[in-house]
Amino acid sequence: RKEVEQDPGPFNVPEGATVAFNCTYSNSASQSFFWYRQDCRKEPKLLMSVYSSGNEDGRFTAQLNRASQYISLLIRDSKLSDSATYLCVSHSGNTPLVFGKGTRLSVIA
Amino acid sequence: DAGITQSPRHKVTETGTPVTLRCHQTENHRYMYWYRQDPGHGLRLIHYSYGVKDTDKGEVSDGYSVSRSKTEDFLLTLESATSSQTSVYFCAIRAGTGVEVLSGANVLTFGAGSRLTVL
Repeated sequence: RKEVEQDPGPFNVPEGATVAFNCTYSNSASQSFFWYRQDCRKEPKLLMSVYSSGNEDGRFTAQLNRASQYISLLIRDSKLSDSATYLCVSHSGNTPLVFGKGTRLSVIA
Repeated sequence: DAGITQSPRHKVTETGTPVTLRCHQTENHRYMYWYRQDPGHGLRLIHYSYGVKDTDKGEVSDGYSVSRSKTEDFLLTLESATSSQTSVYFCAIRAGTGVEVLSGANVLTFGAGSRLTVL
């Protein structure tokens, strides 16, 4: 079982919709989590860090459920510019970060 | 944006030739990483470095070697390129030592990528 798993999608949603992605992790020792955004043919860029139960930044909300070992990303009022692949990342101690394969989002006009 | 550059950005080469990709940072970060990204596989760690001359293998290290003689440079070498090494290669840097739990120092910053095609 891969350490970080995501639904690959694609999620096709209309502009203005609310969309949520889940990510599950298998390492219970994971201490911090991140969501990265990757545009087509570009490098991943940090979207949000998740250290405690959750984090909110404008239209984006990330939540962490340690008991069930999953992290979610909620995007409200989707914009065309939100179309991208969203990567879930877990981190534990002094080991390399572990990336999920990503969830593809397409926001449609 | 963090100062991290990769070169070359694009390269086409033939099977059996050596290839070296360079990652250069101006942030004085301790950790540097090389990933490859392929459809259906996501980002996979090749090698990483936790200091000058200190490197370790990732999950897909076969066929690759690395060197870090200076803090700012991390080189990835394919001694004899194969078609299976056609990929997009990303370098990344991280400031933290790993023990700073719940810290922005654990965030990875990526370079723009190097697209390698092996014919």
